[in-house]
Amino acid sequence: AQRVTQPEKLLSVFKGAPVELKCNYSYSGSPELFWYVQYSRQRLQLLLRHISRESIKGFTADLNKGETSFHLKKPFAQEEDSAMYYCALSLNTGFQKLVFGTGTRLLVSP
Amino acid sequence: GAGVSQSPSNKVTEKGKDVELRCDPISGHTALYWYRQSLGQGLEFLIYFQGNSAPDKSGLPSDRFSAERTGGSVSTLTIQRTQQEDSAVYLCASSVGLAVSYEQYFGPGTRLTVT
Repeated sequence: AQRVTQPEKLLSVFKGAPVELKCNYSYSGSPELFWYVQYSRQRLQLLLRHISRESIKGFTADLNKGETSFHLKKPFAQEEDSAMYYCALSLNTGFQKLVFGTGTRLLVSP
Repeated sequence: GAGVSQSPSNKVTEKGKDVELRCDPISGHTALYWYRQSLGQGLEFLIYFQGNSAPDKSGLPSDRFSAERTGGSVSTLTIQRTQQEDSAVYLCASSVGLAVSYEQYFGPGTRLTVT
């Protein structure tokens, strides 16, 4: 069955430190993967998708099909990066059915 | 422009009562999605609409849950005979179309508490 695993509930780092939020997926089809972010008192929003291969707010994520991973990375964390981060997998069902992980709370301290 | 809106923002109801949750998508978005986020869980897909049609209802947790969309716009999620396990945040999202290339825009959610 399709599944997205985010092993860390909380990741706490200091400002300027590198960040890696882990995401592993289980899916027999061709995966489309996303990272969504929810800042405090804001709604869930798309951060980046693997198909775009872009860097958003300094974050990047590379799809590793061999390791079935899509880890989110940033070389130098900022306090404003503090938020909940959700990894999501879109199934090839003819529509964009998203399967979400349980999320990782990133806390960046000064 | 206005984003996706949901009402009410909070709803407290007694076990056994029916509730209706409303979603107003972004104007012109043909696709609409409902998700549920229970405490400590990830977002769980419930149902989607393309226009007024919901081709796949298999994500609804039980037959107490139903959803409709009218005029290709507003959608309501109805939960009959609510149970305590229905307590969750219910999120609605809309997108221009169904393709993966279209971003889903989320509403602020409705927090449902069943006492």
